[in-house]
Amino acid sequence: AQSVTQLDSHVSVSEGTPVLLRCNYSSSYSPSLFWYVQHPNKGLQLLLKYTSAATLVKGINGFEAEFKKSETSFHLTKPSAHMSDAAEYFCVVRENSGYSTLTFGKGTMLLVSP
Amino acid sequence: DVKVTQSSRYLVKRTGEKVFLECVQDMDHENMFWYRQDPGLGLRLIYFSYDVKMKEKGDIPEGYSVSREKKERFSLILESASTNQTSMYLCASSLQGFGGELFFGEGSRLTVL
Repeated sequence: AQSVTQLDSHVSVSEGTPVLLRCNYSSSYSPSLFWYVQHPNKGLQLLLKYTSAATLVKGINGFEAEFKKSETSFHLTKPSAHMSDAAEYFCVVRENSGYSTLTFGKGTMLLVSP
Repeated sequence: DVKVTQSSRYLVKRTGEKVFLECVQDMDHENMFWYRQDPGLGLRLIYFSYDVKMKEKGDIPEGYSVSREKKERFSLILESASTNQTSMYLCASSLQGFGGELFFGEGSRLTVL
């Protein structure tokens, strides 16, 4: 079975400061991991994905995430927040075993203040 | 540019009505999905389809059905809408296989009175 936990429902940062959105996962098999972003009144868009290649994954808009198997974590980071980063972020896991669909976390709302 | 189009952005229906939510993708994707999004609960999978006329139940299929008569179109049906089905519904598609990127529509916000 697979599951994903986003440790914060809301994160507030100031523009220009670092962003850290935390995600822990559980999977019986080696996982694929994703981060999606949802801007207000929009559908979800893929930020980045890990599929068993390099453990440090770079995505769009300056975001990156590091897969840490020993900690079962896949935290999302960005060195400097921009106002346009304000959105909801979803961590997603998929077990790489046969007929497995994606399991979404409950989301983290990122608030960016000037 | 890739596109998943949900025909209705906002709907208001009455309890007991039959509701159709339509989704069309123009990317020739094999897989299509319907999710429900509620605050604090994230996205939950209702149904998915990996081929024309094929469908599989997701995590919360009760009260819903689906139809996929053509590859590009995947419909979600609420046979008798209830107030607890008030929600945001998101359609997505992906290439064959289940580890690939999902492309989402902008959502259909359904209110059942």
